[in-house]
Amino acid sequence: DSGVTQTPKHLITATGQRVTLRCSPRSGDLSVYWYQQSLDQGLQFLIQYYNGEERAKGNILERFSAQQFPDLHSELNLSSLELGDSALYFCASSVSGLAGASTDTQYFGPGTRLTVL
Amino acid sequence: TQLLEQSPQFLSIQEGENLTVYCNSSSVFSSLQWYRQEPGEGPVLLVTVVTGGEVKKLKRLTFQFGDARKDSSLHITAAQPGDTGLYLCAGASYGQNFVFGPGTRLSVLP
Repeated sequence: DSGVTQTPKHLITATGQRVTLRCSPRSGDLSVYWYQQSLDQGLQFLIQYYNGEERAKGNILERFSAQQFPDLHSELNLSSLELGDSALYFCASSVSGLAGASTDTQYFGPGTRLTVL
Repeated sequence: TQLLEQSPQFLSIQEGENLTVYCNSSSVFSSLQWYRQEPGEGPVLLVTVVTGGEVKKLKRLTFQFGDARKDSSLHITAAQPGDTGLYLCAGASYGQNFVFGPGTRLSVLP
């Protein structure tokens, strides 16, 4: 158990719909990362938040957005869903979020499996 | 754009065999991490290497970071079924987020 929690574990929805994925970081971690993992794309970095502020953006579509709340939990919002959005979505947390810092370990949650029909 | 390649993509071996998987890039990284991911779970960090030429051992697993900090290898001695999983390498340069390789899917048969 990494200490990172994600809900829901599974989500099945239809094209065009909007969903919200939730992540609670490990106690004491200020940084949250969101990743998308699909069979053909591997693990893709989407976005990072640090203490409520957006710190870095990766390959995140405009249809997707995220935020980190004062209690440090984070939500990833996916809208106008397409079949290709079906994937595993992981949240990870770390203490400082200093990318590339050898001491900044990312701890991953169990993921949310999104299926778009 | 920093890219990481991993080889082989798939590997199926018998229990007790040794194996090596590779992680390569044309970019220099300030640190490189190896993760193992089991089905239905998130990646779990195995090791972080930061110094060119560095070798780290974790029981039967030996990790090496290339001298130029562009590549890494993971060697497993006497593989066991419990080693089965997806092995991911991830590299980062200071100030930039980690880039993950596509992974090597290892299956160790009893």
